[in-house]
Amino acid sequence: GAVVSQHPSWVICKSGTSVKIECRSLDFQATTMFWYRQFPKQSLMLMATSNEGSKATYEQGVEKDKFLINHASLTLSTLTVTSAHPEDSSFYICSARDRGETQYFGPGTRLLVL
Amino acid sequence: AQSVSQHNHHVILSEAASLELGCNYSYGGTVNLFWYVQYPGQHLQLLLKYFSGDPLVKGIKGFEAEFIKSKFSFNLRKPSVQWSDTAEYFCAVIPMDSSYKLIFGSGTRLLVRP
Repeated sequence: GAVVSQHPSWVICKSGTSVKIECRSLDFQATTMFWYRQFPKQSLMLMATSNEGSKATYEQGVEKDKFLINHASLTLSTLTVTSAHPEDSSFYICSARDRGETQYFGPGTRLLVL
Repeated sequence: AQSVSQHNHHVILSEAASLELGCNYSYGGTVNLFWYVQYPGQHLQLLLKYFSGDPLVKGIKGFEAEFIKSKFSFNLRKPSVQWSDTAEYFCAVIPMDSSYKLIFGSGTRLLVRP
């Protein structure tokens, strides 16, 4: 149980385009999901908290207009990187929180912006 | 600011050696504590967690951790490591205030030599 999937697993795009990443909790409902960014050889950095049915809460320094988050249902949250630039290239990881405050992580999406 | 410290960035052990990875946090209130593992090429997986009760917590694959409140520590241990334990280990804390955010340590890379 407690499986979280992400799609796509990797994506290459041209600078200026937008990329959508999906995060799904497969066998449990998650009122809250989280989006992280992981730089090489570093820990995870929380970008935003996604709440079902309400606006996402962004961490300081994260541009909400650039990283659009939509938590459409109790099992799906999406992160859209708008007008992507090479500096947005990174590994994006989502997690879904169960009722017991435990977060389960997706496999991540590697984004490369050319 | 709330933080989680993992003092050992890289650890190299031989098979059958005992393992202890340190984790300290800076938060005076109630916390939930976690250890996650990331095997090469895989996503973060929950090893064990502590919310309350017995401060000695047993997790999967023979790992255990001890919560010492007076020392603000949650060290991870395994009596005898295997080559398959080679991975990166992350300590994480949720301060039980209004944020409920998971704060990660910087991670410890463990290499177990056969």
